[in-house]
Amino acid sequence: GDSVTQTEGPVTLSEGTSLTVNCSYETKQYPTLFWYVQYPGEGPQLLFKVPKANEKGSNRGFEATYNKEATSFHLQKASVQESDSAVYYCALSDRDTNAYKVIFGKGTHLHVLP
Amino acid sequence: GGIITQTPKFLIGQEGQKLTLKCQQNFNHDTMYWYRQDSGKGLRLIYYSITENDLQKGDLSEGYDASREKKSSFSLTVTSAQKNEMAVFLCASSILGGFAEQFFGPGTRLTVL
Repeated sequence: GDSVTQTEGPVTLSEGTSLTVNCSYETKQYPTLFWYVQYPGEGPQLLFKVPKANEKGSNRGFEATYNKEATSFHLQKASVQESDSAVYYCALSDRDTNAYKVIFGKGTHLHVLP
Repeated sequence: GGIITQTPKFLIGQEGQKLTLKCQQNFNHDTMYWYRQDSGKGLRLIYYSITENDLQKGDLSEGYDASREKKSSFSLTVTSAQKNEMAVFLCASSILGGFAEQFFGPGTRLTVL
């Protein structure tokens, strides 16, 4: 079945350093890919989504490219801030398998030190 | 904009007890979801509902029941709480289904004594 595998956390970085959170997926067709972010005490919220292969999504300085050949969707940010401390989830939805289900990765907890 | 409200925020129960969690949304979304969030395991789908009065089982439905009697509300029942169980239950809604953005509530934290 469909699955998402992402960097195991926690990831601890100093403010101003760069971030990469790896995300790989398995699915039979061409899914829509998502990154969600969850701040303490809140539910997850969409960071961005990319419905088409070879396109890039971005928001708040974060970006990820939908790489169909490598089946990857790695999250990157050039310079993290303390306010980026949160849990990041990679997810996919495959319309051909089930148009209503979203498969989430296990989440990557990011701590950014001042 | 809209909002998803989950009640209660914290729920403490006894082993074997039947417990109900409630979710309300004012987005006028058709699709609603219940997820269970455990540390290190991500979000796992318990039930979802495509529209009012519809129920679909997710990957973790055993031990749970759900109810969608109105478009705006979606309830989840833990049929027999397990001792030492601790998790956060998240409700979400979406306008079109999985490929559209899901909007999440703040969660209900369950503790079973």
